[in-house]
Amino acid sequence: SQQGEEDPQALSIQEGENATMNCSYKTSINNLQWYRQNSGRGLVHLILIRSNEREKHSGRLRVTLDTSKKSSSLLITASRAADTASYFCATDGPYASGGSYIPTFGRGTSLIVHP
Amino acid sequence: NAGVTQTPKFQVLKTGQSMTLQCAQDMNHEYMSWYRQDPGMGLRLIHYSVGAGITDQGEVPNGYNVSRSTTEDFPLRLLSAAPSQTSVYFCASRDRGLGYTFGSGTRLTVV
Repeated sequence: SQQGEEDPQALSIQEGENATMNCSYKTSINNLQWYRQNSGRGLVHLILIRSNEREKHSGRLRVTLDTSKKSSSLLITASRAADTASYFCATDGPYASGGSYIPTFGRGTSLIVHP
Repeated sequence: NAGVTQTPKFQVLKTGQSMTLQCAQDMNHEYMSWYRQDPGMGLRLIHYSVGAGITDQGEVPNGYNVSRSTTEDFPLRLLSAAPSQTSVYFCASRDRGLGYTFGSGTRLTVV
């Protein structure tokens, strides 16, 4: 049962352009995380935003969270060919223990940045 | 500091064979999870653990067993491999409130 779903499924842009990916989820969350996965590799944690935060920055990444719309967006500014990867959002899923939730992942957005 | 180490990286099994996928982390993380990743399906949670001696089932636990006898290790056992278990398996660990650190994955093919 996937809590978060990314949109679009695929995104193709030119180097230097901005890339925006969205994540929608179904139930209330404690936090939302974004990950990057390069082809054939494991996922790399990019950023975590808590439910009481509205925006967070990390380098060229900007994440927003709108809990009223149950959605988040990841913006990559001035994209580079090296940003080519799949991007996943992870949200609190139905699995929990000791008061902490185990994240569940969406299907991801495949981003291709053309040099 | 090696992070999360998964072995083996590749494995081919025959239907009905059993095997253990190893996962070890050296960050003293409480939480560890196993996911499988299939094309178009994203990552699906198999089993997870919130500390030594504590494990629980995720979304797709059938056909898999886990144990957590130490904080560092979280092996995943395939009891009787089936072609439907052909997938890429990821182990991940984290501290409370932080993001996951993933291993590099095990690509398993069951023939």
